[in-house]
Amino acid sequence: AQSVSQHNHHVILSEAASLELGCNYSYGGTVNLFWYVQYPGQHLQLLLKYFSGDPLVKGIKGFEAEFIKSKFSFNLRKPSVQWSDTAEYFCAVTPWGTYKYIFGTGTRLKVLA
Amino acid sequence: KAGVTQTPRYLIKTRGQQVTLSCSPISGHRSVSWYQQTPGQGLQFLFEYFSETQRNKGNFPGRFSGRQFSNSRSEMNVSTLELGDSALYLCASSPSGVLQETQYFGPGTRLLVL
Repeated sequence: AQSVSQHNHHVILSEAASLELGCNYSYGGTVNLFWYVQYPGQHLQLLLKYFSGDPLVKGIKGFEAEFIKSKFSFNLRKPSVQWSDTAEYFCAVTPWGTYKYIFGTGTRLKVLA
Repeated sequence: KAGVTQTPRYLIKTRGQQVTLSCSPISGHRSVSWYQQTPGQGLQFLFEYFSETQRNKGNFPGRFSGRQFSNSRSEMNVSTLELGDSALYLCASSPSGVLQETQYFGPGTRLLVL
């Protein structure tokens, strides 16, 4: 079955630390990849997405992600986190030929000031 | 543009009852997807509608159903509620449901089943 794995369920970092959140998916065909973020008290919103071209994608607020097809991975990175990055982060995949999003279980990030 | 709206925002029901949740997409958006969000499970896809047609559904029992109206508004219904149905139900819309499109999420309806 198609699935998305986010291995880090909870991450605690100090401000200015670097961030990398893992995302792996299981699907052999072509996919589109997304990272969504849910800030406390806010709706889920798009952070960045990849569907073709340069596998290094830049999103809002200094986030980036790299698609490594051979590893079925789409890890999210940020060189220096801020307290305002405290949120829950979700990786999602849409396999071509379907009309559904498959989300990971999410990673709760807490950034200490 | 107004965002995705969902009503009601909070709901308390008892086991065995049924419930109907409503979602109004962003104006001009024709694709509506529904998700169930629970701690530890993340978001689980329920179904997606486009132009009143269900194009895909997730692995949920038949107690979960939905529909979409000609104005793109959508409803989902859960019959014979179980305790495990307690969750945040999210609706998301996009212009045409093309897979590369960004989905825009509503605030959700928090359902508590007692």
